[in-house]
Amino acid sequence: GAVVSQHPSRVICKSGTSVKIECRSLDFQATTMFWYRQFPKQSLMLMATSNEGSKATYEQGVEKDKFLINHASLTLSTLTVTSAHPEDSSFYICSAIDLGQGDRGYTFGSGTRLTVV
Amino acid sequence: GESVGLHLPTLSVQEGDNSIINCAYSNSASDYFIWYKQESGKGPQFIIDIRSNMDKRQGQRVTVLLNKTVKHLSLQIAATQPGDSAVYFCAEIDSNTGKLIFGQGTTLQVKP
Repeated sequence: GAVVSQHPSRVICKSGTSVKIECRSLDFQATTMFWYRQFPKQSLMLMATSNEGSKATYEQGVEKDKFLINHASLTLSTLTVTSAHPEDSSFYICSAIDLGQGDRGYTFGSGTRLTVV
Repeated sequence: GESVGLHLPTLSVQEGDNSIINCAYSNSASDYFIWYKQESGKGPQFIIDIRSNMDKRQGQRVTVLLNKTVKHLSLQIAATQPGDSAVYFCAEIDSNTGKLIFGQGTTLQVKP
């Protein structure tokens, strides 16, 4: 089945620095990927939709200049948290759509635990 | 805005019993629903899905029921096992945007 690889799984960074998270579709091409953020004991909140070759679409309240998304190829989307602050500490999860599986093709990465100190 | 919500934040069941996890949705235009299981520190895992033209769908030990009249979705797990302990989310696909929107989540605790 479809596999999405997310890297790194855990990262600790200092306040003010930037962190890049990668999301790769390993055995399918994904023109669309989604980025979610999840705080402890809460649901997944959609941050943005990443479209290959075009600008990402951000959900209301998500700062596009803080959460930079690049989807330069059909198998890779990156999320960069710029000038990170402790309140950005969260679990970030990506999802890629495998059109070959129809509506079932929302495959998730294993998530990235970001801790900003 | 539109959202998918869950009734119970935590459900505790005895091993071997059946579990029922409920979900309410508000977008009447949604035509496709998915249940996911999320274990600690991992991404969501597909369990079962259902389209709006169906009332019931069965998988292995799991059944999803859809009541469009009251916009209610449920996940039934038969003979619950310790490995079923996780957080369960219902989600809907916005037919206009293709976005997958998650509900609140229910933590299922299975007691041995």
